[in-house]
Amino acid sequence: QSALTQPASVSGSPGQSITISCTGTSSDVGGYNYVSWYQQHPGKAPKLMIYDVSNRPSGVSNRFSGSKSGNTASLTISGLQAEDEADYYCSSYTSSSTLAVFGGGTKLTVL
Amino acid sequence: EVQLVESGGGLVQPGGSLRLSCAASGFTFSSYEMNWVRQAPGKGLEWVSYISSSGSTIYYADSVKGRFTISRDNAKNSLYLQMNSLRAEDTAVYYCAREGWLQLNAFDIWGQGTMVTVSS
Repeated sequence: QSALTQPASVSGSPGQSITISCTGTSSDVGGYNYVSWYQQHPGKAPKLMIYDVSNRPSGVSNRFSGSKSGNTASLTISGLQAEDEADYYCSSYTSSSTLAVFGGGTKLTVL
Repeated sequence: EVQLVESGGGLVQPGGSLRLSCAASGFTFSSYEMNWVRQAPGKGLEWVSYISSSGSTIYYADSVKGRFTISRDNAKNSLYLQMNSLRAEDTAVYYCAREGWLQLNAFDIWGQGTMVTVSS
């Protein structure tokens, strides 16, 4: 099962908005609303930021939002802050013989 | 406090075996599905394996199928990953991750990870 496709890097200035894309196929992203997003700071464990395409867990800032169109899911971070600088990973349920697949990760730099 | 703590990592020779453990606390472990996710040095996340709350349903990534075995002991609030026939490409930090309540593909609690190095 191939990983989902994410841009290697994105950047933005404080206060701006950025969007990270996550492209899969009809067997994963496009076929199910089970897309999640994770934030990972260096040396730390990942943190769940979005689940079921657009739902935020309790405690996650409403500056983080998720959406999906066709085979591509997106994570948008508005009002960028310095602490948002991290790696971001998408994940999707897949109907293949496995169960879940991750994207390759996107490094967000806050300029 | 809801917590997952992995242990059992270390240095092992190619072809060797290792058993990872994940101790859960602060929640009703027997009610939750669990996963193992790994991350090779400087690389992205890779889902490895899933086990249902009862242990009756199990899935593996193609890269570890036939070599790794996931299991759990609900009486001991523990998750395990038996890794056999280890290869250099299995070198990674291994995380145990809880599946969100009644969720699918939403890993809401993660451990701190345990490092596995496969090298001669």
